[in-house]
Amino acid sequence: GDSVTQMEGPVTLSEEAFLTINCTYTATGYPSLFWYVQYPGEGLQLLLKATKADDKGSNKGFEATYRKETTSFHLEKGSVQVSDSAVYFCALYSGGYQKVTFGTGTKLQVIP
Amino acid sequence: SQTIHQWPATLVQPVGSPLSLECTVEGTSNPNLYWYRQAAGRGLQLLFYSVGIGQISSEVPQNLSASRPQDRQFILSSKKLLLSDSGFYLCAWSVGRKVNTGELFFGEGSRLTVL
Repeated sequence: GDSVTQMEGPVTLSEEAFLTINCTYTATGYPSLFWYVQYPGEGLQLLLKATKADDKGSNKGFEATYRKETTSFHLEKGSVQVSDSAVYFCALYSGGYQKVTFGTGTKLQVIP
Repeated sequence: SQTIHQWPATLVQPVGSPLSLECTVEGTSNPNLYWYRQAAGRGLQLLFYSVGIGQISSEVPQNLSASRPQDRQFILSSKKLLLSDSGFYLCAWSVGRKVNTGELFFGEGSRLTVL
């Protein structure tokens, strides 16, 4: 079945540091890939997405590239801010059963 | 525009008591609806999803149940809560069936504490 593996957290960075959160997946066919962000006490919201190989999703300075050859969708940001502190979830949708599969989430803490 | 609401936002219940969490979506028709649970420090666990009225798929055997009495209403219930039912419950919707892109829209969440 489908699965998503993302790096264990928490990740603690200083403000303006470079961020990478790794995500790899296993799926049948050609899934769509997503990153969601959850701020404390809130529901999840879509951060970015990519629907086919080599697509780059981007939003709010975050980027992720759909790499079919390595089955990866790593999240990156060049310079993090304190306001980026949140939990980040990688997810995939392969269409067959109308379900989205999530990774376990990575907590990011950015300190001033 | 589409909106999703779930309530109550916070709930403290004794072990053995019943539970009812409600979720409604506005501004769309025939959505897929989902209930997820997020236990403390853990990821998202899909509990139930529904592709239409009265159609419920269960992902995890447990003492919870779900119902979809109307197109845009999704209810999570339990007859007798367990301590292990504590967590943050999230309702979500997506466009349905053939046009589903997999993008989910989440409610604000309901925090349940079972004592």
